Amino acid sequence: KAGVTQTPRYLIKTRGQQVTLSCSPISGHRSVSWYQQTPGQGLQFLFEYFSETQRNKGNFPGRFSGRQFSNSRSEMNVSTLELGDSALYLCASSLGANEKLFFGSGTQLSVL
Amino acid sequence: DQQVKQNSPSLSVQEGRISILNCDYTNSMFDYFLWYKKYPAEGPTFLISISSIKDKNEDGRFTVFLNKSAKHLSLHIVPSQPGDSAVYFCAATGSGTSYGKLTFGQGTILTVHP
Repeated sequence: KAGVTQTPRYLIKTRGQQVTLSCSPISGHRSVSWYQQTPGQGLQFLFEYFSETQRNKGNFPGRFSGRQFSNSRSEMNVSTLELGDSALYLCASSLGANEKLFFGSGTQLSVL
Repeated sequence: DQQVKQNSPSLSVQEGRISILNCDYTNSMFDYFLWYKKYPAEGPTFLISISSIKDKNEDGRFTVFLNKSAKHLSLHIVPSQPGDSAVYFCAATGSGTSYGKLTFGQGTILTVHP
C-alpha cells in the first residue's frame, strides 16, 4: 500500500508570493492533518480535515489555509509568503479520529 | 507557551546500552501520549503510545513510562542499536480531541555509537 505522498518535495519562493502544497493520503484514510516543522519550534499543528470538513485548526494566521477533496486528497495554501514561513510542511493521514498518524516525507519550502 | 517539552536537545549512547528520552507536559487535559521517530528527509514514524490510564507500555525494545502526578513521560530503548539514531519526538493529545491534532515537543537527537 502506498504511503502518504506529498508534492512537491522542494519549493523555493520569494516573499509576497503564494504557494500550494499537495498531499495524497494512504488509500482508505479519510483524515488528513498538516504540520509545520521549523528548527526552533518543532512540529506545530496547522489544521485537520475529515470528510472535506476542517475539524481542527492550529494557531496560525489566516494566510494559511487548506482544503480536502472528496477523494480525501488535501491541499494547503500559504498566501503573501514571509521569510518565517520557510519550513518543512508535513502532511499526515489516519483512518479516523482516534487512529495513529502516518506522515509523508514533507515539502521543504524556502522563502527568499 | 510550550505545553510539551523535551529538555534534552541531544543524547549520545553506546550500542547495547539503555537510551532514556524524557518529556514533560504542562496541560493536565492531555491524556494520550505518543512517541515518533524521524530520520532526515523522511516524515516521522509512530513508535509507541500510552494512555493516561496506564503507567507503562512495552513494545519490544521500546518501553514508555508515564508519571501523571509529575506530568512526565520517558521512552526507554533497550538495547540501543546504531539504527536507532534519529530524532525522537514526544507528542500529546487530550480527551475528546482527535489524534490528528497533536502537540509535539521539540525533539531529542539520539546518537547510538557502535
